[in-house]
Amino acid sequence: AQKVTQAQTEISVVEKEDVTLDCVYETRDTTYYLFWYKQPPSGELVFLIRRNSFDEQNEISGRYSWNFQKSTSSFNFTITASQVVDSAVYFCALSEAASRGGADGLTFGKGTHLIIQP
Amino acid sequence: GAVVSQHPSRVICKSGTSVKIECRSLDFQATTMFWYRQFPKQSLMLMATSNEGSKATYEQGVEKDKFLINHASLTLSTLTVTSAHPEDSSFYICSARDPTTGPYEQYFGPGTRLTVT
Repeated sequence: AQKVTQAQTEISVVEKEDVTLDCVYETRDTTYYLFWYKQPPSGELVFLIRRNSFDEQNEISGRYSWNFQKSTSSFNFTITASQVVDSAVYFCALSEAASRGGADGLTFGKGTHLIIQP
Repeated sequence: GAVVSQHPSRVICKSGTSVKIECRSLDFQATTMFWYRQFPKQSLMLMATSNEGSKATYEQGVEKDKFLINHASLTLSTLTVTSAHPEDSSFYICSARDPTTGPYEQYFGPGTRLTVT
């Protein structure tokens, strides 16, 4: 069975600091998809990134970057020069390939509550 | 594109009553929709997978007689919480898969906050 672990329950940093959110996953499938979502207080999930298991390239998008390492089953997320608006709960999630095609529903980690202090 | 709506956004009901939550894909046809539940300050848990025209597949521990899911069309799935109790109070989020944009793409609705008094 798949599992996603986000060991950091809460992180608090001062604005402009860099911060890394850790994500470790478990799956027996060779084909799977990894995601990061942001959940502000409103509750709506904001999609940040998707990665498939065959693409280990790291990605940078503005102040956000992601480090995918299959050797350690990790998919970490770094925010550079954090801002107060980055404050939210961040979820890492995993989806395995479905037997009937497509992908299964997501398995979410417990989330990391990120607090950026001004 | 790829917008998913949920209705209502917030509902309060009395214990013992049933409440229906709608999930609609507004600009695409969703062959598969997923329902998640999130208790306060907790993670999202997959409740069930709904395929258009067939019975929903429920995750272990989810009572299918309590959480009725109907996916009667390619743009609408409904979740009915029957005989709701205070412990059913939660944030319910649906997602829909657009097969034309890839097998892994899921688009989330804004969620429905259910409070059972």
